Amino acid sequence: NAGVTQTPKFQVLKTGQSMTLQCAQDMNHEYMSWYRQDPGMGLRLIHYSVGAGITDQGEVPNGYNVSRSTTEDFPLRLLSAAPSQTSVYFCASSYRTGSYEQYFGPGTRLTVT
Amino acid sequence: DAKTTQPPSMDCAEGRAANLPCNHSTISGNEYVYWYRQIHSQGPQYIIHGLKNNETNEMASLIITEDRKSSTLILPHATLRDTAVYYCIVRVGANSGSARQLTFGSGTQLTVLP
Repeated sequence: NAGVTQTPKFQVLKTGQSMTLQCAQDMNHEYMSWYRQDPGMGLRLIHYSVGAGITDQGEVPNGYNVSRSTTEDFPLRLLSAAPSQTSVYFCASSYRTGSYEQYFGPGTRLTVT
Repeated sequence: DAKTTQPPSMDCAEGRAANLPCNHSTISGNEYVYWYRQIHSQGPQYIIHGLKNNETNEMASLIITEDRKSSTLILPHATLRDTAVYYCIVRVGANSGSARQLTFGSGTQLTVLP
């Protein structure tokens, strides 16, 4: 199993640009989520999905969209990038919704100038 | 969620066992102890979890005291690649239908020395 994969590893955007961060898992996990991690702020939940076709907002959803058309993929879209979105983004999955046994991808380091 | 207390830092010699303590004196009966680690610039990594019995997997062992007020994560033969921040968290077990946001405290910086 590849586990949870994320692309790209690094990205630099200009303010106002849009892009999609990709996340895929091959473990047939029901639950997938996106976090951002900033120095001194810990992990903050952006959006999550409890199954294909079902998504919901986390703690910090503004400026981001998600969709889940398949069990495997959960892309995160930045609609109009802002410097405040400079962060490291992690995708995570778990076998069941509600589980704290979560598996993380390697992360995407995003810089918005 | 019960509060946890961990030492801010520990050193361990390569090849020796690393024993990382965690206090969780207010843990309730339905709360599990979870351990994660985060190696610099990588995603958090799930290690192990347990309720009251000792647990072992290919990465580590988890020893929970009989009163469940503290636990110890044991890495039996630490390597340089085990240098990371280790987080102990206490949470209720899986309960379908509710999304679970993972939050970490400050953890223990384990440095494995050559």
